[in-house]
Amino acid sequence: GAVVSQHPSRVICKSGTSVKIECRSLDFQATTMFWYRQFPKQSLMLMATSNEGSKATYEQGVEKDKFLINHASLTLSTLTVTSAHPEDSSFYICSAQKGTSGGALETQYFGPGTRLLVL
Amino acid sequence: SQELEQSPQSLIVQEGKNLTINCTSSKTLYGLYWYKQKYGEGLIFLMMLQKGGEEKSHEKITAKLDEKKQQSSLHITASQPSHAGIYLCGADTGANNLFFGTGTRLTVIP
Repeated sequence: GAVVSQHPSRVICKSGTSVKIECRSLDFQATTMFWYRQFPKQSLMLMATSNEGSKATYEQGVEKDKFLINHASLTLSTLTVTSAHPEDSSFYICSAQKGTSGGALETQYFGPGTRLLVL
Repeated sequence: SQELEQSPQSLIVQEGKNLTINCTSSKTLYGLYWYKQKYGEGLIFLMMLQKGGEEKSHEKITAKLDEKKQQSSLHITASQPSHAGIYLCGADTGANNLFFGTGTRLTVIP
C-alpha cells in the first residue's frame, strides 16, 4: 500500500499559460501533502505544506500567488503554476503523509514527479 | 537555519565494493530518512531512523544514526549496478516537513 500518483508526468507549455499538477494518494488518506521542486542535479526544495481543508503553508521565497495549492480532499492536492515562465521549468514532486500524528515521523510517500518545461 | 550536508557529492565504485554515504546535520534531528532517487524520477523510501544509536538494515543497505542524532551514515555492502542512483537524506526538523540533504550520486561500474 501507500501509493502516490502524479499527473501529468510531463508537460510542455507556452510561457504565460497556467499548468495544473495533481497529486493523489491512491490507497490511503493523506491529511498532509507536500510539494517539492527539484532543479537538475540538485536536491529537493520544499515549496509548501498542504493540509486538507485549509490554506497551504508556503516556504520562504515561494510565491503563493504563483504556485497555487489546493488540498480539497484527503486524497487529492493540486499545484497550479500560474502564468508560467521558462524559469519555472523544473521537476515537481509531491509527497503524501499518512495519519495525523504531526511531525514528519510518519513516513512520507512520494509521487513519481512531474517534469514541467515552459517554452 | 537548518543545514544538512551529504558527503561525498559523487561516488564511483566498482561492482562488489562497499561504500558509505554520510549525512550531517547542524542541529539535533527528530528523525532521519534515507531515500533513493533515479535521476528525474520520484523517491524510493529506504529507511527511517529515530533513536540515537539506531541501526537498520535492508538487504545490503545499512543505515545508522549517531547517539547525538546529528549524523547518519548509509552503508552499501557488495555494491551492484542496481544500487546506482541519487541517495538523499531527509531530516525531520520537528516542523512537520522534511529538509533534504544535497544528495550523493552513486555510479556502480560493472
